[in-house]
Amino acid sequence: GENVEQHPSTLSVQEGDSAVIKCTYSDSASNYFPWYKQELGKGPQLIIDIRSNVGEKKDQRIAVTLNKTAKHFSLHITETQPEDSAVYFCAASSSNSGYALNFGKGTSLLVTP
Amino acid sequence: NAGVMQNPRHLVRRRGQEARLRCSPMKGHSHVYWYRQLPEEGLKFMVYLQKENIIDESGMPKERFSAEFPKEGPSILRIQQVVRGDSAAYFCASSPGGDTPLHFGNGTRLTVT
Repeated sequence: GENVEQHPSTLSVQEGDSAVIKCTYSDSASNYFPWYKQELGKGPQLIIDIRSNVGEKKDQRIAVTLNKTAKHFSLHITETQPEDSAVYFCAASSSNSGYALNFGKGTSLLVTP
Repeated sequence: NAGVMQNPRHLVRRRGQEARLRCSPMKGHSHVYWYRQLPEEGLKFMVYLQKENIIDESGMPKERFSAEFPKEGPSILRIQQVVRGDSAAYFCASSPGGDTPLHFGNGTRLTVT
């Protein structure tokens, strides 16, 4: 089955700096890669996603890149703000699994003022 | 448009009791996924259901755990004879199907005493 690795497990940045989180996946059939943000006591919220026919996608301060050949994808957050502090999860899925998501173990991001 | 609704938010059970977790998907969504999250860990896939059908239960323990998504009413995750190791947050997600984003509820936090 699919195995998703995520790094780093914790990340601390100063407000205004950029944050980068990286993930790798093992199943070459995976073709959908969402990123979720989870705040304490809440469920994961989708913040951005990318499909395998696209190499990069941007939404305001958030961008995601995908390298299908190397089987890795990354989340970039620019101009970080304290409210960006949360746990971020990457995931991968394919039609083979009915689009059930396989998650990385998460990155705890702390943005200090 | 209400999001994915899970109840109860918190559930305390003694060892040996049964736990029933309910999930109402978003309006128009016929695909439901259940995930388990242990403290400091990512989300582990348990089961994927469509109305009246279990599509993939490969992540669900074969004993004591069952899931259903009837034609009418919410999806139910049932854990019989709970043990301390069942203590976790259980999240439900729904989608309209295909490679569309999964929307998560805020979870049910099960504590087994």
